[in-house]
Amino acid sequence: AQRVTQPEKLLSVFKGAPVELKCNYSYSGSPELFWYVQYSRQRLQLLLRHISRESIKGFTADLNKGETSFHLKKPFAQEEDSAMYYCALRAGNTGKLIFGQGTTLQVKP
Amino acid sequence: DVKVTQSSRYLVKRTGEKVFLECVQDMDHENMFWYRQDPGLGLRLIYFSYDVKMKEKGDIPEGYSVSREKKERFSLILESASTNQTSMYLCASSTPLGLGANVLTFGAGSRLTVL
Repeated sequence: AQRVTQPEKLLSVFKGAPVELKCNYSYSGSPELFWYVQYSRQRLQLLLRHISRESIKGFTADLNKGETSFHLKKPFAQEEDSAMYYCALRAGNTGKLIFGQGTTLQVKP
Repeated sequence: DVKVTQSSRYLVKRTGEKVFLECVQDMDHENMFWYRQDPGLGLRLIYFSYDVKMKEKGDIPEGYSVSREKKERFSLILESASTNQTSMYLCASSTPLGLGANVLTFGAGSRLTVL
């Protein structure tokens, strides 16, 4: 079965601390993975995708097929990073995305 | 430059009422989706459509139906609303082509309360 698991509902860190939001997936095929972010009172939007292999707002994510993970990392958290983060998996040949439960990142001053 | 528009931002309905949620996109996207967003459960796919008049069930289609008569419009219908359908509903669209392939563009959401 295709599944995305984000084990942490809430991650609270201080400004300047490193951040790692965990994402594990279950999929028998070749995965395509995404991170989406929702800031307060804003729409859900793409943060990054693994095929782009780029850093957005200081965030990076590496696909680890051996561990079936796609953790989101940032070396130094900023207060403006506070938001809800969702990991998502594209399943099969359709455009359908399966989302995880979401992790709220709270960056304290 | 709003690209995915959901017609109603907030709705309050009574149990048993028929509810229509409308979504329009102006990006000529082939794919359109309806998700519901609930705390602790994340986004769950209700239905999606990859072409006009085509639809496929997502993970939680029970109690919902959809309509896609035109490429730009995808409607979600609750035939007889129930309290457990109180939620935030998100519409999204995507294209399978090009650099932005399979990246979802979301609407602002429709918060439905069923009393």
